[in-house]
Amino acid sequence: GDSVTQMEGPVTLSEEAFLTINCTYTATGYPSLFWYVQYPGEGLQLLLKATKADDKGSNKGFEATYRKETTSFHLEKGSVQVSDSAVYFCALSGGVDSGTYKYIFGTGTRLKVLA
Amino acid sequence: DAMVIQNPRYQVTQFGKPVTLSCSQTLNHNVMYWYQQKSSQAPKLLFHYYDKDFNNEADTPDNFQSRRPNTSFCFLDIRSPGLGDAAMYLCATSSRYSSTGGRETQYFGPGTRLLVL
Repeated sequence: GDSVTQMEGPVTLSEEAFLTINCTYTATGYPSLFWYVQYPGEGLQLLLKATKADDKGSNKGFEATYRKETTSFHLEKGSVQVSDSAVYFCALSGGVDSGTYKYIFGTGTRLKVLA
Repeated sequence: DAMVIQNPRYQVTQFGKPVTLSCSQTLNHNVMYWYQQKSSQAPKLLFHYYDKDFNNEADTPDNFQSRRPNTSFCFLDIRSPGLGDAAMYLCATSSRYSSTGGRETQYFGPGTRLLVL
Protein backbone atom coordinates (compact mmCIF):
# COMPACT_ATOMS: atom_id res chain seq x y z
CA GLY A 1 0.00 0.00 0.00
CA ASP A 2 0.89 3.67 -0.10
CA SER A 3 3.40 4.86 2.48
CA VAL A 4 5.65 7.76 3.47
CA THR A 5 9.05 7.44 5.12
CA GLN A 6 10.73 10.38 6.85
CA MET A 7 14.14 10.72 8.36
CA GLU A 8 14.35 10.10 12.07
CA GLY A 9 14.56 13.07 14.38
CA PRO A 10 15.18 15.06 16.34
CA VAL A 11 17.23 17.34 14.14
CA THR A 12 19.13 20.03 16.05
CA LEU A 13 20.64 22.94 14.15
CA SER A 14 22.13 26.31 14.91
CA GLU A 15 20.35 29.40 13.68
CA GLU A 16 21.12 30.20 10.00
CA ALA A 17 22.16 26.61 9.26
CA PHE A 18 20.94 24.75 6.17
CA LEU A 19 18.08 22.33 6.69
CA THR A 20 17.22 19.13 4.85
CA ILE A 21 14.54 16.73 6.01
CA ASN A 22 14.32 13.65 3.82
CA CYS A 23 11.02 12.18 2.69
CA THR A 24 10.46 9.28 0.34
CA TYR A 25 7.18 7.73 -0.66
CA THR A 26 5.70 4.59 -2.12
CA ALA A 27 2.54 4.98 -4.14
CA THR A 28 0.98 3.90 -7.37
CA GLY A 29 -0.68 6.41 -9.58
CA TYR A 30 -0.01 10.13 -9.31
CA PRO A 31 -0.26 11.28 -5.72
CA SER A 32 0.00 14.84 -4.50
CA LEU A 33 2.69 15.48 -1.90
CA PHE A 34 2.58 17.80 1.10
CA TRP A 35 4.67 19.12 3.93
CA TYR A 36 2.83 20.08 7.10
CA VAL A 37 4.27 21.80 10.17
CA GLN A 38 3.01 21.44 13.73
CA TYR A 39 3.94 23.86 16.49
CA PRO A 40 3.57 22.76 20.11
CA GLY A 41 -0.04 22.39 21.19
CA GLU A 42 -1.45 23.23 17.76
CA GLY A 43 -2.92 21.49 14.75
CA LEU A 44 -1.08 20.82 11.52
CA GLN A 45 -0.58 23.67 9.07
CA LEU A 46 0.16 23.26 5.41
CA LEU A 47 3.68 24.40 4.64
CA LEU A 48 3.83 23.57 0.94
CA LYS A 49 2.53 21.12 -1.64
CA ALA A 50 3.27 19.72 -5.10
CA THR A 51 0.78 17.98 -7.31
CA LYS A 52 2.86 16.49 -10.12
CA ALA A 53 6.37 15.38 -10.98
CA ASP A 54 9.03 18.13 -11.09
CA ASP A 55 6.75 20.61 -9.33
CA LYS A 56 8.47 22.68 -6.67
CA GLY A 57 6.48 23.79 -3.67
CA SER A 58 7.76 26.75 -1.69
CA ASN A 59 6.67 28.86 1.26
CA LYS A 60 8.37 30.95 3.96
CA GLY A 61 11.82 30.05 2.62
CA PHE A 62 11.10 26.30 2.60
CA GLU A 63 11.22 24.35 -0.66
CA ALA A 64 10.57 20.79 -1.81
CA THR A 65 10.63 19.27 -5.29
CA TYR A 66 8.48 16.33 -6.36
CA ARG A 67 10.96 13.80 -7.76
CA LYS A 68 9.14 10.89 -9.32
CA GLU A 69 12.33 9.15 -10.45
CA THR A 70 13.61 8.92 -6.87
CA THR A 71 10.14 8.95 -5.23
CA SER A 72 11.27 11.76 -2.96
CA PHE A 73 10.02 15.09 -1.65
CA HIS A 74 12.81 16.39 0.56
CA LEU A 75 12.23 19.59 2.53
CA GLU A 76 14.97 22.25 2.45
CA LYS A 77 15.57 25.69 3.87
CA GLY A 78 18.69 27.72 3.35
CA SER A 79 18.80 29.46 6.72
CA VAL A 80 16.71 28.28 9.65
CA GLN A 81 15.46 30.44 12.49
CA VAL A 82 14.59 29.64 16.08
CA SER A 83 10.94 30.15 15.14
CA ASP A 84 11.18 27.18 12.73
CA SER A 85 11.42 24.79 15.68
CA ALA A 86 8.47 22.44 15.23
CA VAL A 87 7.53 18.97 14.02
CA TYR A 88 7.40 18.51 10.25
CA PHE A 89 5.22 15.89 8.56
CA CYS A 90 5.50 14.69 4.99
CA ALA A 91 2.24 13.40 3.52
CA LEU A 92 0.72 12.12 0.31
CA SER A 93 -2.77 11.81 -1.05
CA GLY A 94 -4.31 10.48 -4.19
CA GLY A 95 -2.33 7.28 -4.56
CA VAL A 96 -4.28 4.39 -5.97
CA ASP A 97 -4.01 2.28 -2.81
CA SER A 98 -4.71 4.93 -0.19
CA GLY A 99 -8.31 5.58 -1.09
CA THR A 100 -9.90 8.56 -2.68
CA TYR A 101 -9.81 11.01 0.22
CA LYS A 102 -7.17 9.65 2.57
CA TYR A 103 -3.91 11.31 3.45
CA ILE A 104 -0.91 9.18 4.39
CA PHE A 105 1.48 10.80 6.87
CA GLY A 106 5.08 10.14 7.70
CA THR A 107 6.12 9.73 11.33
CA GLY A 108 7.19 13.35 11.67
CA THR A 109 10.61 14.94 12.20
CA ARG A 110 11.18 17.20 15.16
CA LEU A 111 13.39 20.21 14.40
CA LYS A 112 15.05 22.21 17.13
CA VAL A 113 16.90 25.38 16.19
CA LEU A 114 19.30 26.87 18.72
CA ALA A 115 20.07 30.60 18.92
CA ASP B 1 -11.25 34.01 7.64
CA ALA B 2 -12.48 30.61 6.56
CA MET B 3 -11.32 28.05 9.02
CA VAL B 4 -11.72 24.85 10.99
CA ILE B 5 -12.77 25.38 14.60
CA GLN B 6 -12.56 22.85 17.39
CA ASN B 7 -14.16 23.12 20.81
CA PRO B 8 -13.12 22.84 23.46
CA ARG B 9 -9.33 23.15 23.14
CA TYR B 10 -8.87 21.16 26.34
CA GLN B 11 -11.25 18.57 27.70
CA VAL B 12 -10.94 16.67 30.95
CA THR B 13 -13.13 13.65 31.51
CA GLN B 14 -13.32 10.76 33.91
CA PHE B 15 -12.57 7.19 33.08
CA GLY B 16 -15.69 5.70 31.49
CA LYS B 17 -17.62 8.98 31.28
CA PRO B 18 -18.85 9.74 27.75
CA VAL B 19 -17.40 12.79 26.09
CA THR B 20 -18.14 14.66 22.86
CA LEU B 21 -15.70 16.77 20.90
CA SER B 22 -16.95 19.17 18.27
CA CYS B 23 -15.65 20.55 15.01
CA SER B 24 -17.06 23.17 12.69
CA GLN B 25 -15.85 24.55 9.38
CA THR B 26 -16.56 27.61 7.30
CA LEU B 27 -14.77 26.25 4.23
CA ASN B 28 -17.85 24.41 2.91
CA HIS B 29 -15.71 21.34 2.27
CA ASN B 30 -17.26 17.99 1.40
CA VAL B 31 -14.87 15.86 3.40
CA MET B 32 -14.31 15.96 7.16
CA TYR B 33 -11.84 13.84 9.11
CA TRP B 34 -11.13 12.91 12.70
CA TYR B 35 -7.59 11.99 13.71
CA GLN B 36 -6.07 10.88 16.97
CA GLN B 37 -2.52 12.05 17.67
CA LYS B 38 -0.30 11.01 20.56
CA SER B 39 2.95 12.75 21.53
CA SER B 40 3.63 14.39 18.15
CA GLN B 41 3.41 11.05 16.40
CA ALA B 42 1.78 10.90 13.00
CA PRO B 43 -1.95 11.60 13.14
CA LYS B 44 -3.95 8.38 13.07
CA LEU B 45 -7.10 8.52 10.99
CA LEU B 46 -10.18 7.35 12.90
CA PHE B 47 -12.84 8.02 10.24
CA HIS B 48 -13.92 10.44 7.60
CA TYR B 49 -17.10 11.67 5.95
CA TYR B 50 -17.61 12.44 2.33
CA ASP B 51 -20.75 14.54 2.63
CA LYS B 52 -22.92 12.23 4.76
CA ASP B 53 -21.16 9.07 3.64
CA PHE B 54 -19.34 7.71 6.70
CA ASN B 55 -16.05 5.81 6.32
CA ASN B 56 -14.66 4.04 9.35
CA GLU B 57 -11.07 2.83 9.55
CA ALA B 58 -10.82 -0.90 10.17
CA ASP B 59 -8.78 -0.46 13.35
CA THR B 60 -10.88 2.31 14.93
CA PRO B 61 -12.30 0.98 18.20
CA ASP B 62 -16.07 0.73 18.54
CA ASN B 63 -15.74 3.09 21.49
CA PHE B 64 -15.34 5.93 18.97
CA GLN B 65 -18.37 7.18 17.09
CA SER B 66 -19.03 10.18 14.91
CA ARG B 67 -21.92 12.29 13.70
CA ARG B 68 -22.15 14.83 10.93
CA PRO B 69 -25.55 16.53 11.09
CA ASN B 70 -24.75 19.00 8.31
CA THR B 71 -21.89 20.18 6.10
CA SER B 72 -20.47 22.53 8.72
CA PHE B 73 -20.41 20.38 11.84
CA CYS B 74 -18.91 17.08 12.86
CA PHE B 75 -18.76 15.45 16.28
CA LEU B 76 -16.56 12.80 17.84
CA ASP B 77 -18.17 10.77 20.60
CA ILE B 78 -16.08 8.61 22.90
CA ARG B 79 -18.56 6.37 24.68
CA SER B 80 -16.38 5.07 27.51
CA PRO B 81 -12.99 6.80 27.56
CA GLY B 82 -10.07 4.81 28.83
CA LEU B 83 -6.67 6.07 29.95
CA GLY B 84 -5.28 5.07 26.57
CA ASP B 85 -7.64 7.49 24.82
CA ALA B 86 -5.87 10.52 26.24
CA ALA B 87 -4.52 12.27 23.17
CA MET B 88 -4.87 15.25 20.87
CA TYR B 89 -7.88 14.91 18.57
CA LEU B 90 -7.60 16.72 15.28
CA CYS B 91 -10.42 17.59 12.93
CA ALA B 92 -9.60 18.30 9.31
CA THR B 93 -11.43 19.10 6.08
CA SER B 94 -10.73 18.92 2.40
CA SER B 95 -12.57 19.67 -0.78
CA ARG B 96 -13.35 17.11 -3.42
CA TYR B 97 -11.80 19.21 -6.13
CA SER B 98 -8.70 21.31 -6.36
CA SER B 99 -8.84 24.29 -8.68
CA THR B 100 -5.14 23.92 -9.37
CA GLY B 101 -5.23 20.18 -10.06
CA GLY B 102 -4.12 17.26 -7.95
CA ARG B 103 -5.35 16.42 -4.50
CA GLU B 104 -6.79 19.29 -2.47
CA THR B 105 -5.03 20.50 0.63
CA GLN B 106 -6.29 19.18 3.95
CA TYR B 107 -7.00 21.92 6.51
CA PHE B 108 -6.67 21.18 10.20
CA GLY B 109 -8.27 22.65 13.26
CA PRO B 110 -6.18 23.52 16.34
CA GLY B 111 -7.08 20.24 18.03
CA THR B 112 -8.70 19.25 21.31
CA ARG B 113 -6.43 17.78 23.94
CA LEU B 114 -8.28 15.13 25.92
CA LEU B 115 -7.21 14.17 29.41
CA VAL B 116 -8.76 11.11 31.06
CA LEU B 117 -8.61 10.90 34.85
